[in-house]
Amino acid sequence: GQNIDQPTEMTATEGAIVQINCTYQTSGFNGLFWYQQHAGEAPTFLSYNVLDGLEEKGRFSSFLSRSKGYSYLLLKELQMKDSASYLCAVCHRGSTLGRLYFGRGTQLTVWP
Amino acid sequence: GAGVSQSPSNKVTEKGKDVELRCDPISGHTALYWYRQRLGQGLEFLIYFQGNSAPDKSGLPSDRFSAERTGESVSTLTIQRTQQEDSAVYLCASSLEVGGEGEKLFFGSGTQLSVL
Repeated sequence: GQNIDQPTEMTATEGAIVQINCTYQTSGFNGLFWYQQHAGEAPTFLSYNVLDGLEEKGRFSSFLSRSKGYSYLLLKELQMKDSASYLCAVCHRGSTLGRLYFGRGTQLTVWP
Repeated sequence: GAGVSQSPSNKVTEKGKDVELRCDPISGHTALYWYRQRLGQGLEFLIYFQGNSAPDKSGLPSDRFSAERTGESVSTLTIQRTQQEDSAVYLCASSLEVGGEGEKLFFGSGTQLSVL
């Protein structure tokens, strides 16, 4: 399997900025995804990085450093509705049948 | 359909019974995954289908679990002789293609399985 680590829990206040880190160890790296999952719902796609650097999408940005096996998701101007679990997933292409490996997720709680 | 469809949405069964869960992926999506998620836990990979290739079954927890997929269409996950530890949400996801952002997954709403 692939080792993907992210913090279990984080808290922040409304309007603040929070950074959720993800580190991974894999051969045949072929992209990294971030997903958001609200309680009782299915995960939904947030971002995709395959090259080094920052990808910005509105209040959410995602960064990747392939040499360091590191990514982060940056959430700005936090809102209560951002309280959710954030999942880091790495695409592994070590064989002809590649697939996504998910981390355990980071539970973010946004306080008023 | 517009999204990934799973049925049933809820299933309550007795220990020892067999259950069959169904997933209809988005039309044209070549890849299909099954995951299990226990309450408060992360996604546990079960099985992965990609086109006509042999599936990656490395995540199936025991020989009581099996899955099939008809071409690039419907998939069924079967759990035989269910145990209480099988209680979880079973999520199905599909993606358009292999490689790049096209590999992003679209998830169904899941089947909540409760084994009494």
